[in-house]
Amino acid sequence: EVQLVESGGGLEQPGGSLRLSCAASGFNFSTFDMNWVRQAPGKGLEWVSFISGSGGTIYYADSVKGRFTISRDEAKNSLYLQMSSLRAEDTAVYYCARSGRVTLFGVLTITYSDYWGQGTLVTVSS
Amino acid sequence: DIQMTQSPSSLSASVGDRVTITCRAGQTISMYLNWYQKKAGKAPQLLIYAASSLQSGVPSRFSGSGSGTDFTLTISNLQPEDFATYYCQQTYSTPLTFGGGTKVEIQ
Repeated sequence: EVQLVESGGGLEQPGGSLRLSCAASGFNFSTFDMNWVRQAPGKGLEWVSFISGSGGTIYYADSVKGRFTISRDEAKNSLYLQMSSLRAEDTAVYYCARSGRVTLFGVLTITYSDYWGQGTLVTVSS
Repeated sequence: DIQMTQSPSSLSASVGDRVTITCRAGQTISMYLNWYQKKAGKAPQLLIYAASSLQSGVPSRFSGSGSGTDFTLTISNLQPEDFATYYCQQTYSTPLTFGGGTKVEIQ
């Protein structure tokens, strides 16, 4: 059974740092791309960051670029999000999600988030 | 960035109704479109991927259609457990943008 379990959330002051972790099990972690997605209170879903299975390709939303760092540890089957220079607008539930993919017509490789963790709440407030 | 626009933002419906939610992309995205269901306090759940493929384990009353810029999620025979917020997401290019969501409420 695929499981993703986030941890590391909590209350942090503006300008502070937090490191989120996502422990993966039930699948070959190293062969799957992963994403972080967040949801601020009363708001919609917002994609935060992507890392390829090899770790060689990384993308960030503009809202977190230069402040957040995504990484993964294959030996620990874990995904991380190092968050620094935190702002009030970073307050949200953060989800890690596995990225599945399908190839259609032999040419279109479409990705989607097929498994999600339960989320960890990050609150940035003084 | 590719803007994803969902409509309506909310709707009221009754059990047994047929519900249609639309999602429009700001540029053509072929079939790089997924639909998720989100309930309060729960993780999002993938319903439809690649515009029209039903995720394993998802009831067949959910269906998706469209390509290019215009997409539709249809829930036929709405069930009590379907009252939730629904999001479309494009994975054509980064940033992987979501629509603003459609909240389906009990009438």
